[in-house]
Amino acid sequence: GAVVSQHPSWVICKSGTSVKIECRSLDFQATTMFWYRQFPKQSLMLMATSNEGSKATYEQGVEKDKFLINHASLTLSTLTVTSAHPEDSSFYICSAGKTGGSYEQYFGPGTRLTVT
Amino acid sequence: RKEVEQDPGPFNVPEGATVAFNCTYSNSASQSFFWYRQDCRKEPKLLMSVYSSGNEDGRFTAQLNRASQYISLLIRDSKLSDSATYLCVVISYSGAGSYQLTFGKGTKLSVIP
Repeated sequence: GAVVSQHPSWVICKSGTSVKIECRSLDFQATTMFWYRQFPKQSLMLMATSNEGSKATYEQGVEKDKFLINHASLTLSTLTVTSAHPEDSSFYICSAGKTGGSYEQYFGPGTRLTVT
Repeated sequence: RKEVEQDPGPFNVPEGATVAFNCTYSNSASQSFFWYRQDCRKEPKLLMSVYSSGNEDGRFTAQLNRASQYISLLIRDSKLSDSATYLCVVISYSGAGSYQLTFGKGTKLSVIP
């Protein structure tokens, strides 16, 4: 199988603080990982493409200085929400595909962020 | 035109019904296609890959039409547990292990007793 984990699964933080979310591929290597955000009752929205060893590619409208992505190894990507505000409260999900495979995506269980 | 389009639904069908979803894509160079299902407040889970020859898994059948650039998902004998949002995912390779992922906004299915 292919397992992707995320940590933490949920977090509550105060406005102005930063939160780091980890995404790990546990049993495979992933050159590329993706980060998404989903607000209640809305569609999944791709935020950025995280590439190991290079800068992330952000979707239009996503602030790269606010959502810092670091893909330091073939099994770990991190998303840091800087200076969080209540409107950043959302469900953040990552996905990864096996390098050299068909790239079907395995999704992490998601992280629920609540900013108070 | 959006890169990947799906009818958002909702599709409300009775148990036992057959329901079909379509998903159109604009990038003719797309190479891999998948259907995912997402339950409320959960992450998407792979339902099935979609091949040019079509593929079937129990009550589910997926097909790819490259000429018309769409993929379809057919669910037969709908169960209450099939209620979910169905996402189509399209992948285009850009070489050297890099690829681009595009997905639809999802089609919501509600199976009614």
